[in-house]
Amino acid sequence: QVQLQESGPGLVKPSQTLSLTCTVSGGAISSGNYFWSWIRQSAGKGLEWIGRTPPHYNPSLASRVTISIDKSKNQFYLKLNSVTAADTAVYFCARDRGDGATTLSRWGQGTLVTVSS
Amino acid sequence: DIQMTQSPSTLSASVGDRVTITCRASQSISKHLAWYQQKPGKAPKLLIYKASSLESGVPSRFSGSVSGTQFTLTISSLQPDDFATYYCQQYDRYGTFGQGTKVEIK
Repeated sequence: QVQLQESGPGLVKPSQTLSLTCTVSGGAISSGNYFWSWIRQSAGKGLEWIGRTPPHYNPSLASRVTISIDKSKNQFYLKLNSVTAADTAVYFCARDRGDGATTLSRWGQGTLVTVSS
Repeated sequence: DIQMTQSPSTLSASVGDRVTITCRASQSISKHLAWYQQKPGKAPKLLIYKASSLESGVPSRFSGSVSGTQFTLTISSLQPDDFATYYCQQYDRYGTFGQGTKVEIK
């Protein structure tokens, strides 16, 4: 059973870069034709899909987001530049069903990131 | 951008009730819609994909349907474990979630 776990700083200063890692266990990240996504949830905006790898980003965040993958470490990553308080949220990583669509069937538990000086 | 309008925002119901939640897309998304259940402090759980296909392991009391750009999640007989918040998500173009429907105890 594939499991996902987010990790990274819980506090980021405004204008800096938010960096998170999702570690995949119970299966190789390179096996199958899966999309690996990042999603966030804030009180103000609800659930928001950030993007996935292979790269495909929410247009509203595309100018600030990079999602990458390291198959040798069984990890994928999120970088979000120039953060503001509006980027404060619980960030989830997830994997799709493997059917070529962004239907998110496996999720990490989520990690809270607060943007504050 | 494709907008998803979900209703109602809150629903009060009793165990055994039939519950219906609706999501309307701002444009055609074919059947590219999923439904999720989320409980406090937990990640969302996929219930339905492709508008009406039941995810493996999900009880058959959950079902999905579509008519044009209106999508419906139905719980045929509400169980105690079903009190949660439900979200729709379109994945036709990028991924947009509805604002959620909280199902609470009446």
